Amino acid sequence: RKEVEQDPGPFNVPEGATVAFNCTYSNSASQSFFWYRQDCRKEPKLLMSVYSSGNEDGRFTAQLNRASQYISLLIRDSKLSDSATYLCVVNDTGGNNRLAFGKGNQVVVIP
Amino acid sequence: DAGITQSPRYKITETGRQVTLMCHQTWSHSYMFWYRQDLGHGLRLIYYSAAADITDKGEVPDGYVVSRSKTENFPLTLESATRSQTSVYFCASSERGYEQYFGPGTRLTVT
Repeated sequence: RKEVEQDPGPFNVPEGATVAFNCTYSNSASQSFFWYRQDCRKEPKLLMSVYSSGNEDGRFTAQLNRASQYISLLIRDSKLSDSATYLCVVNDTGGNNRLAFGKGNQVVVIP
Repeated sequence: DAGITQSPRYKITETGRQVTLMCHQTWSHSYMFWYRQDLGHGLRLIYYSAAADITDKGEVPDGYVVSRSKTENFPLTLESATRSQTSVYFCASSERGYEQYFGPGTRLTVT
């Protein structure tokens, strides 16, 4: 079983709509969770950390469910500029600051 | 310029040649990482380093060599390039916590 699993999509979203997707992680000992954004042919960039209590950054909301071992990301009022791949990332419990990356959810915002 | 840089950005080489990809960061981060990204696989860790002169294998180390004589540099060498090593290579660094900062990537084609 992969350490981090995501449904690759694509998720075709009308501009202005809300889109949400989850990822699941296999290691219950994981403590740190992130969403990274990757634009086509660019490097991944940190979008937001995911905290146990859930957190919001503008139109983006991240949630963590430790019991079911999943992380979610919700994007409200989608903009064309939100088109990207969103990578679910979990710390690798092997240590040394390693991270385990999901394959990403591809989001395409349609005018 | 501050940040993390990679060179070259694009490289075409022939099977059997030795190739070295460079990574340089100006933050003095302790941890540095090399990933490759291929369609269908997401980001896979090749090698990582916790400090100068300390390196360790990641998920897919075969055919690669790394060194870290200085904190700011982490070169990746393909000893004898193969077509299966055609990929996009990302270098990343981190310090406190697990957040990693990525370089712009090197697109390598092995013919």
